[in-house]
Amino acid sequence: DAKTTQPTSMDCAEGRAANLPCNHSTISGNEYVYWYRQIHSQGPQYIIHGLKNNETNEMASLIITEDRKSSTLILPHATLRDTAVYYCIVRVSMNSGYSTLTFGKGTMLLVSP
Amino acid sequence: GAVVSQHPSWVICKSGTSVKIECRSLDFQATTMFWYRQFPKQSLMLMATSNEGSKATYEQGVEKDKFLINHASLTLSTLTVTSAHPEDSSFYICSARRGTNYGYTFGSGTRLTVV
Repeated sequence: DAKTTQPTSMDCAEGRAANLPCNHSTISGNEYVYWYRQIHSQGPQYIIHGLKNNETNEMASLIITEDRKSSTLILPHATLRDTAVYYCIVRVSMNSGYSTLTFGKGTMLLVSP
Repeated sequence: GAVVSQHPSWVICKSGTSVKIECRSLDFQATTMFWYRQFPKQSLMLMATSNEGSKATYEQGVEKDKFLINHASLTLSTLTVTSAHPEDSSFYICSARRGTNYGYTFGSGTRLTVV
């Protein structure tokens, strides 16, 4: 699986959009970009994933650059409950085999009032 | 759907005793489950892959005789930390997925403190 690089930490004001970047310059054509988050003392939670098109769901939006070497997770209106560590993971489709996810260090997002 | 329940959520045990952690898939069958360990301010590290009806596959550096994994049914995997020591104190998390067309669901984790 390709390596990802994320900032160690970010701050965001409550109600504002949180934009979390991720670099994955060695991504292969068949690798997806997945985002998970982990709230303190809880298990990771799936947020969103994509291949090359931008994706949106009820939690967030995922913007992937045209060359696929980087992406941005957008939380449109951050709340205090969005404070968590956000992990960007690149791997082949979940449909292929039973190998699990490899977590990097992620970005600690702190949402403040 | 796709709920994974982990129990207990926290446990304190004396050094030298054994502790069992359960991971259940509540609304789906999971032939494969995964066990992670997370030390404070660090990321999740995969410990082992639990396979229903067969032996677990352990990651390099994880002692299989110390971390016993049993996956006796399609909805239950257990991790037993044997002869626990204070350095085993950590946050243990399991995960599973319903099948190849689904993503991974994680349990809520177990905080183990060995005193």
